[in-house]
Amino acid sequence: VRLVESGGGLVRPGLSLSLSCSASGFTFGDYPMSWFRQAPGRGPEWVGFVRSRAHGETAEYAPSVKGRFTISRDDSRSIIYLQMDSLKIEDTARYYCARGGDEVDVWGKGTAVTVSS
Amino acid sequence: DIVLTQSPLFLSVTPGEPASISCRSSQSLLHSNGYNYLDWYMQKSGQPPQILIYLGSSRASGVPDRVSGSGSGTDFVLNISRVEAADVGVFYCMQARQTPLTFGGGTRLDIK
Repeated sequence: VRLVESGGGLVRPGLSLSLSCSASGFTFGDYPMSWFRQAPGRGPEWVGFVRSRAHGETAEYAPSVKGRFTISRDDSRSIIYLQMDSLKIEDTARYYCARGGDEVDVWGKGTAVTVSS
Repeated sequence: DIVLTQSPLFLSVTPGEPASISCRSSQSLLHSNGYNYLDWYMQKSGQPPQILIYLGSSRASGVPDRVSGSGSGTDFVLNISRVEAADVGVFYCMQARQTPLTFGGGTRLDIK
């Protein structure tokens, strides 16, 4: 089982960035998938998750990102996406994708996002 | 939002001795299905968190049986019966009873 995030980088406040997470080693479509983030020196923070197709493929978001971030999935390619719009300095963190919604048993190594002018 | 309060913040333990971490929730994490939606994670330096315990007391795959979780409702405990050097890191509880999912502030464990 493997999760590999990509797409991180340096971005100016107010702009957008899209992250991807490629999954392998399990039946991707059977699982809800989550995004978490962790700012330097701080604990992890839940960003949101997307349910499996069998459960409507709907997403839930943390209040801090709701309306700005969008999680989607492509089961045919075993990829989950995190579209981040209107980025703020406080969105600076390492972003992790993870398998599961309420019990997260596999995490990727993460990709770093820095929002700075 | 549900607030999780962990204690202690820091633990310094002699190898072979036990350790215990408390996680108290501002609301009950017990679902009508009988499960407590409380997970425990451990994070080693430079690595992502790894799950130890899910649904309050179920040990995740590969986790040694010296690690156990207990509790129900609003009070939960993570126990390590015999601490080893590999246990150095930060432990977090996380509730999944309702969104937004939230984490406790973390407990740092080191070895004496």
